[in-house]
Amino acid sequence: DQQVKQNSPSLSVQEGRISILNCDYTNSMFDYFLWYKKYPAEGPTFLISISSIKDKNEDGRFTVFLNKSAKHLSLHIVPSQPGDSAVYFCAASSYRGSTLGRLYFGRGTQLTVWP
Amino acid sequence: SAVISQKPSRDICQRGTSLTIQCQVDSQVTMMFWYRQQPGQSLTLIATANQGSEATYESGFVIDKFPISRPNLTFSTLTVSNMSPEDSSIYLCSANLGRWEAFFGQGTRLTVV
Repeated sequence: DQQVKQNSPSLSVQEGRISILNCDYTNSMFDYFLWYKKYPAEGPTFLISISSIKDKNEDGRFTVFLNKSAKHLSLHIVPSQPGDSAVYFCAASSYRGSTLGRLYFGRGTQLTVWP
Repeated sequence: SAVISQKPSRDICQRGTSLTIQCQVDSQVTMMFWYRQQPGQSLTLIATANQGSEATYESGFVIDKFPISRPNLTFSTLTVSNMSPEDSSIYLCSANLGRWEAFFGQGTRLTVV
């Protein structure tokens, strides 16, 4: 039972253009969402997150949008760079007291940014 | 950001043997997590390791197959026991550091032959 879904296994974007990675979730108890970037032979690296009390969070070239009613979030990368080429994982969690609980992951989207 | 060191980074093992993976965090954490990533799949949680208590296993994972130790607040091990080729995966440890961030080790790529 996949509670977090990334329906696009791959995305190819030209350098300088916008990359939009999508993620859907089914569990309405999730109230915190994270994006991770993963290069081959490395562990996932935290990229950006958003709480359910917000609908947008920005950090430099990365912006995450959350649509709670649609149970959908997206990661925008503008402008895209060749170094952004990696697998991007969407993850969801719930607050547990003073810390995050376990994470539920999507299957990832392979982003390729070409010159 | 926090540092999580995991070793070995990769190993090739004979079926029927066991491998112990170590995970060291550079600060004290209450919970540590062990995940598995099979080819083309998402990260699947194996178990949550709390210091001073038994690990909590997710459905489909059992202690006899994946025993976990958590001797202190900065260290944990995961053992993959009596390995078969189906256990070939990337194994990842993780810890929640601060309120809102979860960090990962670099992973252990296991191949069982």
